[in-house]
Amino acid sequence: GESVGLHLPTLSVQEGDNSIINCAYSNSASDYFIWYKQESGKGPQFIIDIRSNMDKRQGQRVTVLLNKTVKHLSLQIAATQPGDSAVYFCAENRGSGYALNFGKGTSLLVTP
Amino acid sequence: IAGITQAPTSQILAAGRRMTLRCTQDMRHNAMYWYRQDLGLGLRLIHYSNTAGTTGKGEVPDGYSVSRANTDDFPLTLASAVPSQTSVYFCASSDVSGGPQHFGDGTRLSIL
Repeated sequence: GESVGLHLPTLSVQEGDNSIINCAYSNSASDYFIWYKQESGKGPQFIIDIRSNMDKRQGQRVTVLLNKTVKHLSLQIAATQPGDSAVYFCAENRGSGYALNFGKGTSLLVTP
Repeated sequence: IAGITQAPTSQILAAGRRMTLRCTQDMRHNAMYWYRQDLGLGLRLIHYSNTAGTTGKGEVPDGYSVSRANTDDFPLTLASAVPSQTSVYFCASSDVSGGPQHFGDGTRLSIL
């Protein structure tokens, strides 16, 4: 889940397992959601997005699920690889212009 | 390679000095953004610009100013730097339809 303190929550998974990273969003009016991956020393990199008229969207090895009833978003990574180790952020469109509201991130650690 | 270029990549600055962080994009995106990233606080929006010639305040605008003279460039200026502005600064852009934001690799700024 998303952090509310100084330390990021960490998800540790074994290589080859599936990973699920969760995010709770706050604005019921949000209509667009994005998952980003951030590697050390780099900027956030777009992974996948979903609009509020959908509840599931699949990409290459990744799936995003949206539950608008409980304002919950999840990112599923299939067959997790060492290169997937990074911090993952969810972001929601606030609905006013084009600004995104970012969660505080979850650190994914893939162990061999 | 198309994308966002930020400069400098890192800087150590004395408090009270003026500093401009540069951001250039070559994707012809209308909207551009400046964020700061601090551990435990995630990405926070400083200023944004929906189109050349317009700017707006984000979540944490105090002590920063921006300009958008053309589509490609969106510099961020600290008029008189203070230690609390020590952070990693990211510039991003998106097309006007509100799609995913593309990020640069950041400027690491330390104010002493």
